[in-house]
Amino acid sequence: GENVEQHPSTLSVQEGDSAVIKCTYSDSASNYFPWYKQELGKRPQLIIDIRSNVGEKKDQRIAVTLNKTAKHFSLHITETQPEDSAVYFCAASIGASGGGADGLTFGKGTHLIIQP
Amino acid sequence: EPEVTQTPSHQVTQMGQEVILRCVPISNHLYFYWYRQILGQKVEFLVSFYNNEISEKSEIFDDQFSVERPDGSNFTLKIRSTKLEDSAMYFCASRITGRNTEAFFGQGTRLTVV
Repeated sequence: GENVEQHPSTLSVQEGDSAVIKCTYSDSASNYFPWYKQELGKRPQLIIDIRSNVGEKKDQRIAVTLNKTAKHFSLHITETQPEDSAVYFCAASIGASGGGADGLTFGKGTHLIIQP
Repeated sequence: EPEVTQTPSHQVTQMGQEVILRCVPISNHLYFYWYRQILGQKVEFLVSFYNNEISEKSEIFDDQFSVERPDGSNFTLKIRSTKLEDSAMYFCASRITGRNTEAFFGQGTRLTVV
């Protein structure tokens, strides 16, 4: 099955600086890559996602890049703010043709700490 | 904004007892999922459900687990005989379609087996 590796496990950056979190996946059939933010004790919430027909996607301060050849995808957060502090999870899934109910395989998470 | 709701928020049970975790997915969603997250660890896929049957399940989802959609709104996860290692946060999620769309998570049920 799919295996998703995520690095680093903890990332501390100064407020205003950029943060980059990287993930790799193993199954070349995976074609959907969401990123979730989870604050302490709360549910994971989608912040951005990318599909395999796209190399990069941006939403204000957040961007995701995908390299299908290398099976890498990365989350970039610019101009970090204290409220960006949370655990971020990358995930991958295979969007089966015919609408199969594919589950998400998550990375182990990155604890992002924004230092004031 | 519609959201996935789960009950109870916290369940404490004795080892060997059966528990049922309940979820109400978003009303027009067709695909339903259970995930679990052991404290401090990653979210792990358990099972997906579509058209009143299991579509996919992970190695974690053994014979002790079952899912059901008993009516038009609820989606339940049953653990027949709980073990200490079943202690975790259990998240329900739903998607409008199964393919490449956002999975919306509920707020979770914290299961503590003592």
